[in-house]
Amino acid sequence: RKEVEQDPGPFNVPEGATVAFNCTYSNSASQSFFWYRQDCRKEPKLLMSVYSSGNEDGRFTAQLNRASQYISLLIRDSKLSDSATYLCVVCPNDYKLSFGAGTTVTVRA
Amino acid sequence: DADVTQTPRNRITKTGKRIMLECSQTKGHDRMYWYRQDPGLGLRLIYYSFDVKDINKGEISDGYSVSRQAQAKFSLSLESAIPNQTALYFCATSPTGAPNQPQHFGDGTRLSIL
Repeated sequence: RKEVEQDPGPFNVPEGATVAFNCTYSNSASQSFFWYRQDCRKEPKLLMSVYSSGNEDGRFTAQLNRASQYISLLIRDSKLSDSATYLCVVCPNDYKLSFGAGTTVTVRA
Repeated sequence: DADVTQTPRNRITKTGKRIMLECSQTKGHDRMYWYRQDPGLGLRLIYYSFDVKDINKGEISDGYSVSRQAQAKFSLSLESAIPNQTALYFCATSPTGAPNQPQHFGDGTRLSIL
């Protein structure tokens, strides 16, 4: 079983729509969780950390469900510039990041 | 200027050649990492270093070696390149201190082995 699993998508949504997707992780001892954004052929960039109580950053909302071992990302009022691959990242220990393969989102005009 | 700089950005070479990918950072972070990314797979850790002279294997270190020449520099070598090492390679850094800090990535090196 992979440490981090994501639906690869693609999620094709019109501008202004809401899109949400999850990722599941296998290590119940994981302590930290992140969402990274990766544009085609570019480096991953930190989008937001995911906190136990859930957190928002503008149009982006992240949730953590430790009991079911998944995290989610919701994007409201989608913009064309939100088109990217979103990487779910889990820290099973102090140094290691485990990356999901990514969920591709395409926002169309 | 980029905080984490990788050179070269692109490289095409032949099977059996020795290749070095270089990474330098101006973030002042102690921890540095090398990953490879393949289509349909998440980033996989090759090697990591917590400080100068500290080298640790990641999950896919076979066929690779690294050198941490200074706090700011971490290079990855392929001693005898093979086609299945064709991939996108990323260097990353993170600070020591609070655990589980997010990592900051360089622009990547696209490597093709013919």
